[in-house]
Amino acid sequence: EDQVTQSPEALRLQEGESSSLNCSYTVSGLRGLFWYRQDPGKGPEFLFTLYSAGEEKEKERLKATLTKKESFLHITAPKPEDSATYLCAVSSNYQLIWGAGTKLIIKP
Amino acid sequence: GAGVSQSPSNKVTEKGKDVELRCDPISGHTALYWYRQSLGQGLEFLIYFQGNSAPDKSGLPSDRFSAERTGGSVSTLTIQRTQQEDSAVYLCASSLAVIGAGLAFFGQGTRLTVV
Repeated sequence: EDQVTQSPEALRLQEGESSSLNCSYTVSGLRGLFWYRQDPGKGPEFLFTLYSAGEEKEKERLKATLTKKESFLHITAPKPEDSATYLCAVSSNYQLIWGAGTKLIIKP
Repeated sequence: GAGVSQSPSNKVTEKGKDVELRCDPISGHTALYWYRQSLGQGLEFLIYFQGNSAPDKSGLPSDRFSAERTGGSVSTLTIQRTQQEDSAVYLCASSLAVIGAGLAFFGQGTRLTVV
């Protein structure tokens, strides 16, 4: 059964304190792994797509990496505005299988 | 429009009543998806449309749920005889094509509360 597990469920960091979020997955035939950001009361906002092991993508303070079993979202020197829930999903044909998300809180 | 629009943004209904949730996708997006998001849970896939057709309805939780799309644009998700377990945020997303299921743009959702 296709499954996505994200950890930790919640993460509190001080501003400037770098860390990583984990997304582990089991899927028959990965067609893509996606990271989204979701702010309270809003729909998810697309961040990255990764397709093959070893691939990396960067955007501002975020970098996403992919292995055959998991993906990491590294956040470097975060700011309070990076606070949000970060969602990971894997593509299975026409739909996405979603993790429950990691709620990230950056304290000033 | 500029983004995916959903209405209403909030809906409180009594148990047993029917509700209709509307989604207006980005112009030109042929694929449209409905998801349900419960507190602390991942997004649950409900149904997708390619044009006006819904090839797979197996994600709908029960026969009380139905969806349609007309003119390759606006979609309506209808829940009949609502139950308390239907309370959740219902999200709609659209993309240029089904193959781009990950590159989807989401609306802000409809928060449904059944009392």
